[in-house]
Amino acid sequence: EPEVTQTPSHQVTQMGQEVILRCVPISNHLYFYWYRQILGQKVEFLVSFYNNEISEKSEIFDDQFSVERPDGSNFTLKIRSTKLEDSAMYFCASSDRRGTGELFFGEGSRLTVL
Amino acid sequence: DQQVKQNSPSLSVQEGRISILNCDYTNSMFDYFLWYKKYPAEGPTFLISISSIKDKNEDGRFTVFLNKSAKHLSLHIVPSQPGDSAVYFCAASLNTGGFKTIFGAGTRLFVKA
Repeated sequence: EPEVTQTPSHQVTQMGQEVILRCVPISNHLYFYWYRQILGQKVEFLVSFYNNEISEKSEIFDDQFSVERPDGSNFTLKIRSTKLEDSAMYFCASSDRRGTGELFFGEGSRLTVL
Repeated sequence: DQQVKQNSPSLSVQEGRISILNCDYTNSMFDYFLWYKKYPAEGPTFLISISSIKDKNEDGRFTVFLNKSAKHLSLHIVPSQPGDSAVYFCAASLNTGGFKTIFGAGTRLFVKA
């Protein structure tokens, strides 16, 4: 069964360092998302992406965050200068349909900022 | 962002009985409402959805009810099984201009054998 894959599964970094989280969405999907979940809290929307453009972004997704689809398969989330409060589980998701909300999630990348 | 609210952090139910999980929302522009299930160390998994123009959708043991006037939806699981023990997230999608899906805080369901 097709699945969304994310790497790394866990990354530890120092505050102020740049981090890139990678995702390979399901191959025929066209709509992509990043979410994060701080330990024990809600799953928070960060950004949605389609046709090489950001569609929507939340207040969390400030200038420190960026997304890119550098080739036909990868979808990346970059955090330029990490802060302690960026520590969270980051989930990538993809969908083959716009707006239905039916998303396929990866298993997540845990980011720990020290 | 409190557009989707799940006010019960946890629910405990006996195996074989009905589980009812509740969700409230504030934005009348949502197009679809969904329930996701999440196990520890995994991403959320889509469970069932309902269009904003319907009031009920059923899939096996799972039924979602939508009350638009009350801005309320619920998930019924009948009969509940121990394998249903997980965190359940209510979610809602917006498709006006851009698109996004917003999640509630989750309800942890315990089904006791």
